[in-house]
Amino acid sequence: AQSVTQPDIHITVSEGASLELRCNYSYGATPYLFWYVQSPGQGLQLLLKYFSGDTLVQGIKGFEAEFKRSQSSFNLRKPSVHWSDAAEYFCAVGARGSYIPTFGRGTSLIVHP
Amino acid sequence: ETGVTQTPRHLVMGMTNKKSLKCEQHLGHNAMYWYKQSAKKPLELMFVYNFKEQTENNSVPSRFSPECPNSSHLFLHLHTLQPEDSALYLCASSQSSGTGGSGNTIYFGEGSWLTVV
Repeated sequence: AQSVTQPDIHITVSEGASLELRCNYSYGATPYLFWYVQSPGQGLQLLLKYFSGDTLVQGIKGFEAEFKRSQSSFNLRKPSVHWSDAAEYFCAVGARGSYIPTFGRGTSLIVHP
Repeated sequence: ETGVTQTPRHLVMGMTNKKSLKCEQHLGHNAMYWYKQSAKKPLELMFVYNFKEQTENNSVPSRFSPECPNSSHLFLHLHTLQPEDSALYLCASSQSSGTGGSGNTIYFGEGSWLTVV
């Protein structure tokens, strides 16, 4: 079975600074990989996803993520964070042949002015 | 607008009440999910339905009773709940067969905030 780890429970950055949120997965083959964002009191919104092909994936709101097979990672990045990016971020991994993904515990992003 | 609509958005109920949460998806998906999200806890998968058949029940107490009359609608019937059941309940949907170009991406509703008093 697949698993996913988000090592950071909280991340604090200053507005305008760059951001990288870590995600590590465990799966024997090439997985499906997702990042979601959840604003307070809202559901989860898909930011981006990787299935195959180019390992650098562009998403909405200026986010990108890079799939690194050698490191079993799918880290989320943004070059310049805005105060509105403060939210909870979830990484998820899906196994090929299974339609139910596994979610990480989430990373809470705090943005200081 | 994600294509997954949940009602009500907020619900306060007593421990002896019976209420239901409703979810409807307009994405043509065939799998639907209920998740529970409590403060300080990870996302918990509760139930999964695929083509109206329940395929996952992650040891959820019987006071939560799901119903899936068709692939577009999902209900969560609630009765004799406990205060610790207070949480955000998220409905989601996805394709379950084939991957096409978008794979089995899960789409979430906005959630129903449940408070048990």
